[in-house]
Amino acid sequence: QKEVEQNSGPLSVPEGAIASLNCTYSDRGSQSFFWYRQYSGKSPELIMFIYSNGDKEDGRFTAQLNKASQYVSLLIRDSQPSDSATYLCAFRRAGTYKYIFGTGTRLKVLA
Amino acid sequence: GAVVSQHPSRVICKSGTSVKIECRSLDFQATTMFWYRQFPKQSLMLMATSNEGSKATYEQGVEKDKFLINHASLTLSTLTVTSAHPEDSSFYICSAATGSRNEKLFFGSGTQLSVL
Repeated sequence: QKEVEQNSGPLSVPEGAIASLNCTYSDRGSQSFFWYRQYSGKSPELIMFIYSNGDKEDGRFTAQLNKASQYVSLLIRDSQPSDSATYLCAFRRAGTYKYIFGTGTRLKVLA
Repeated sequence: GAVVSQHPSRVICKSGTSVKIECRSLDFQATTMFWYRQFPKQSLMLMATSNEGSKATYEQGVEKDKFLINHASLTLSTLTVTSAHPEDSSFYICSAATGSRNEKLFFGSGTQLSVL
């Protein structure tokens, strides 16, 4: 079992729609979860982090964490073509400095 | 977010040469930096954790003598790929953690290494 599981996609949504990206993780002890956006040929950019169960909103982005079910999701409202990228889910392994990344979900927002 | 600068952004070299990549934290001090490698359409793979003033910690399967890491100051870590071969061609990305809980990981812009 991979430590972080993400659907590779591509996930295609029309412009203006809500994009929903999901991720499951295996480390029950982890306390810190992150979503990164990576454009082709570029390095990842941190867009959301969440430490507590529930929802966290920042602009058009909402991260949702459910530790009991070991999943974290990212909602992007009013999706724009510029949101088209690969979204990487990551967590910091409990008790370490190690960050574990998923393989990413490729999102395509269609104009 | 915090700024991590990485140079060069692209290197093309002949097989057998050594390549040095620099990673700097511009607006914060980083006692720990991380070096990742990413092959096309794959996820980030942690290569090593760079600790200021001490030896780097390498992940299993990463050759210490091939990937030399030096973290001489709180703002600079370097990765040297020694005697590079075509199979070392990859996207190398450095990162550093900061924030109130020192948990937000910020990345440099990456170095695309192509070994001919």
